[in-house]
Amino acid sequence: DAKTTQPPSMDCAEGRAANLPCNHSTISGNEYVYWYRQIHSQGPQYIIHGLKNNETNEMASLIITEDRKSSTLILPHATLRDTAVYYCIARGYYKLSFGAGTTVTVRA
Amino acid sequence: DAGITQSPRYKITETGRQVTLMCHQTWSHSYMFWYRQDLGHGLRLIYYSAAADITDKGEVPDGYVVSRSKTENFPLTLESATRSQTSVYFCASSESSSGGYEQYFGPGTRLTVT
Repeated sequence: DAKTTQPPSMDCAEGRAANLPCNHSTISGNEYVYWYRQIHSQGPQYIIHGLKNNETNEMASLIITEDRKSSTLILPHATLRDTAVYYCIARGYYKLSFGAGTTVTVRA
Repeated sequence: DAGITQSPRYKITETGRQVTLMCHQTWSHSYMFWYRQDLGHGLRLIYYSAAADITDKGEVPDGYVVSRSKTENFPLTLESATRSQTSVYFCASSESSSGGYEQYFGPGTRLTVT
């Protein structure tokens, strides 16, 4: 699986959009971009994934650049409960390779 | 309730003892996975299973044994626990191994080996 690079931490104001960047410059054509988050010590929670096109679900939006070398996860209206570690993963087959992720702190 | 559950949620055991962590999913997913999470290492894959009676090693399989006699269950056994196996263990399941299918995780088991 391709390596991903994320900023170690970021802050966000409650009610504002949170934009989480991820670089995956070596991603191959069959690798999907996945986002998970982990709140405190809970199990990782699936957020969204995509291959080429932008994706949106009830939790977030995923914007993938045309060359697929980077992506952005958008939480449209961050709440305090969105405080978590967010993981960006380039996944080709069965395994999910979790890096250090981005610690997102939503402040009131 | 539907979903993926793990038991026990917390376990303390002594070095050398055998301990089994249970994982149960109600989705009839073909694939199941065991990960461990340690500070500084993120989540690492221990074993995975493609179907009942089919298992394979992940990144860190040494010291662990798995079985899968039924699709919904995937127990992980530490045959002789060591302190280095103190960790948080997560089970996950997925409909397929294809990159397009998400994995869903259980709540985890926090294991302490004294």
